[in-house]
Amino acid sequence: GIQVEQSPPDLILQEGANSTLRCNFSDSVNNLQWFHQNPWGQLINLFYIPSGTKQNGRLSATTVATERYSLLYISSSQTTDSGVYFCASNAGGTSYGKLTFGQGTILTVHP
Amino acid sequence: DAGVIQSPRHEVTEMGQEVTLRCKPISGHDYLFWYRQTMMRGLELLIYFNNNVPIDDSGMPEDRFSAKMPNASFSTLKIQPSEPRDSAVYFCASSFSYGYTFGSGTRLTVV
Repeated sequence: GIQVEQSPPDLILQEGANSTLRCNFSDSVNNLQWFHQNPWGQLINLFYIPSGTKQNGRLSATTVATERYSLLYISSSQTTDSGVYFCASNAGGTSYGKLTFGQGTILTVHP
Repeated sequence: DAGVIQSPRHEVTEMGQEVTLRCKPISGHDYLFWYRQTMMRGLELLIYFNNNVPIDDSGMPEDRFSAKMPNASFSTLKIQPSEPRDSAVYFCASSFSYGYTFGSGTRLTVV
């Protein structure tokens, strides 16, 4: 199956700093999503982004499908951004719904 | 919209007992997914349904696990008999088009 690798595994920031999280995937995809799991365990969908760039407030994401990677940018980080960020994708030939999750990046934002 | 509703939120049971986890997807969503999250294995897709029909159950760990979706508004994941290694957080998610919405999860502890 598809391999999804995220980096860095851990990231510690001061409030106000910017950061970039990376997701590499081993196969062509037709579904790639970013999620945030908050400290209470809730998983929130941030972006559906199999290609191109999207922005939502302080967050933006870019996927370069031809090079098999996606980036999540967090600008002016806040303590509420803390949690685990997951990238998930499927292999291009499989049903879009069969997502494989990466191991996540644990983000800690200090005040 | 109340989102994806899972019950119970927490379940503690003794080894060998039957456990039933419940999920109500978002109305109008045609895909439903069951995931399991553990520290060791991360987020794993167990099974998913499309229009109430199981599409892929290759992630179900063994015959002790079963899932049903009798109608568009309800799904169950059953473990019989339960074992300590089944302890995890079980998430249900639903989707229409591409974005996933996760429920709050059921934290299962088997002692």
